[in-house]
Amino acid sequence: DIQMTQSPSTLSASVGDRVTITCRASQSISSWLAWYQQKPGKAPKLLIYKASSLESGVPSRFSGSGSGTEFTLTISGLQADDFATYYCQQYNSYWTFGQGTKVEIK
Amino acid sequence: EVQLVETGGGLIQPGGSLRLSCAASGFTVSSNYMSWVRQAPGKGLEWVSVIYTGGSTAYADFVKGRFTISRDSSKNTLYLQMNSLRAEDTAVYYCARGSSGGSYFHFDSWGQGTLVTVSS
Repeated sequence: DIQMTQSPSTLSASVGDRVTITCRASQSISSWLAWYQQKPGKAPKLLIYKASSLESGVPSRFSGSGSGTEFTLTISGLQADDFATYYCQQYNSYWTFGQGTKVEIK
Repeated sequence: EVQLVETGGGLIQPGGSLRLSCAASGFTVSSNYMSWVRQAPGKGLEWVSVIYTGGSTAYADFVKGRFTISRDSSKNTLYLQMNSLRAEDTAVYYCARGSSGGSYFHFDSWGQGTLVTVSS
């Protein structure tokens, strides 16, 4: 089974900050990685797929990079609406999620 | 517009059974991989099961032999039959649509979720 490890678990930031979340896979997953945003009581929302492809309708301040086992999600210019929990997900072999990164207000 | 609406959750005693439904609109469930993903209270996301376009299925080890995924094309609905429920199955259950095209599929649409609580 492929394990996904995100860091940090919690991140405190201010509006306007540049935020980076890291996701590491236990084995190579090529670029088969997605990022989701989840707000309390809501379903996850797709942000990024294939490591760096922006889902339609998602603001361009969100970007993804990486391949193999190391990936990052960057939010350039954090907005109030971005305070949420973010999950990475591998889909190279079945589906596995990282444990989540909560982005909270500093 | 793609829409997924889950129903069927509730309070059930350990050892009991429950069937979740996910009614789809805006696309055909048999044309996409369809999955169930769960989230225990205050915890992260866990993939539970998938049904492929051809009808074959796969399950996470922790539900194998207890849960069954299926679909009804005439109703455009996905199901999850859950038997021998345990306290650790308590979670919000989401249905999710696999993306189209290619050979690898992320989840591009999600339902709002239905809460299953297993407790005596």
